[in-house]
This record gives sequence, structure tokens and C-alpha cells, in this order.
Amino acid sequence: QVQLVQSGAEVKKPGSSVRVSCTASGGTFHSYAISWVRQAPGQGLEWMGGIIPTRHTTDVAERFRGRVTITADESTSTAFMSLSSLRYEDTAVYFCARHGDYPTYHSAMDVWGQGTAVTVS
Amino acid sequence: EIVLAQSPGTLSLSPGESATLSCRASQTLTKNYLAWFQLRPGQAPRLLIYDASSRATGVPDRFSGSGSGTDFTLTISRLQPEDFAMYYCQQYHTSPWTFGQGTKVEIK
Repeated sequence: QVQLVQSGAEVKKPGSSVRVSCTASGGTFHSYAISWVRQAPGQGLEWMGGIIPTRHTTDVAERFRGRVTITADESTSTAFMSLSSLRYEDTAVYFCARHGDYPTYHSAMDVWGQGTAVTVS
Repeated sequence: EIVLAQSPGTLSLSPGESATLSCRASQTLTKNYLAWFQLRPGQAPRLLIYDASSRATGVPDRFSGSGSGTDFTLTISRLQPEDFAMYYCQQYHTSPWTFGQGTKVEIK
């Protein structure tokens, strides 16, 4: 059964960048779409973008375009999300999640990473 | 983008009671591409329902989803102490894959 393990908490200065990793273990990686979702303190869930490694395609929500870069290393079954020009309001917990069933986003996110807390201070 | 409106914002109920949560989409979701998630503090979201009415693996049968088109419902029967949490609907019909603003189910 696949698990997604994320990198540890980060504290960053405004204007800097952060990179969060998400490694799949116990299952295949490249056959699924991987999304990144965040939750700021006291706020709801927000989809940021995703990648389908086997198709080498990414999709980023419009409000994050230009600041978010999503990549994947199939050799290590790891996806990465980089967020640049950090602002105080980017303080949040960032999750990666797998869309089950084939390399498409048209499937529910059934497996989630444990979350990575990013603090901009 | 597709906007999902959840109601009510908060439900105050007692253990053993039933909860009915609503999610309304601003556009028709063909193929009922809608999921429900439970979110507890400090934990990752947990998939409960996918494709509007299919229960995810390991989810108790007291959780059920229904609806089609633009109106969807999550019903939790016989609330257990661990069910008091936040619940979010999410559509995977059209990018960006948006979430509702959430419904809090709290202990009365």
C-alpha cells in the first residue's frame, strides 16, 4: 500500500523560497497524478497545483502561477513543490496527495502525505 | 472556476444523532466528480466519499454520500465522538480542483 512521506517543517524569511518533497513508498509513483494542497491557519483547503509524472505535465492554479514550480523525479518516486517570493500569508501546512486510478486528475485524492508546516517569519 | 458552497457552516449535534451536510456546485459536475474529506486538527485529510456516493476503503458505513449535478449531500448517521471534525467537499471535474469552505461538526 502506497504511502506518501513529506519533508520536514521549514521556517523561511519573506521573499525567500521553499521546496517541499513528497516521496512515495510501497507502490508505484509515476502512474498517478500528484496534487499539492495547503491549509493556512484557520482557513480551508486550497489546491495549488499538480503533476502527472508519466506524462511530464503540470497544472498550477492561476493564483500561484509564476510562484509555484512542481517537478518529479521518477527514479526516486519523489515529487517536489517549490514556492518562491514567500509572503507571511504563505504560512500554512502543505500536503501532497495522490489521485487514485490512472494518470488523471479526474479521480479523488485517496492517499495523502502527513503535511509539512511552512512558517514565513 | 467551479465554486463549491457548503452549508451549514457549523453543525452542533450530540453523539448518536445524524448530521446532514450540503455542498452546492456553481456548475454541473458531470460523472459526479465530487469527493468528501474529513479533517481533524493536526492530521492529513481523509477521503470519505468519492464519485459523490462511493465510500472509500475502510470508511464506516455510517458515512454516506448522495446527490448529482450541482447538489450533493454527506450524511453521517449515529455520530461517534471521533466524527466531530471539519468536512470538506471537493470537485475534480474541472481544473482548478476546488474545495468548499468546509462544515464544522461540533459537539453540542
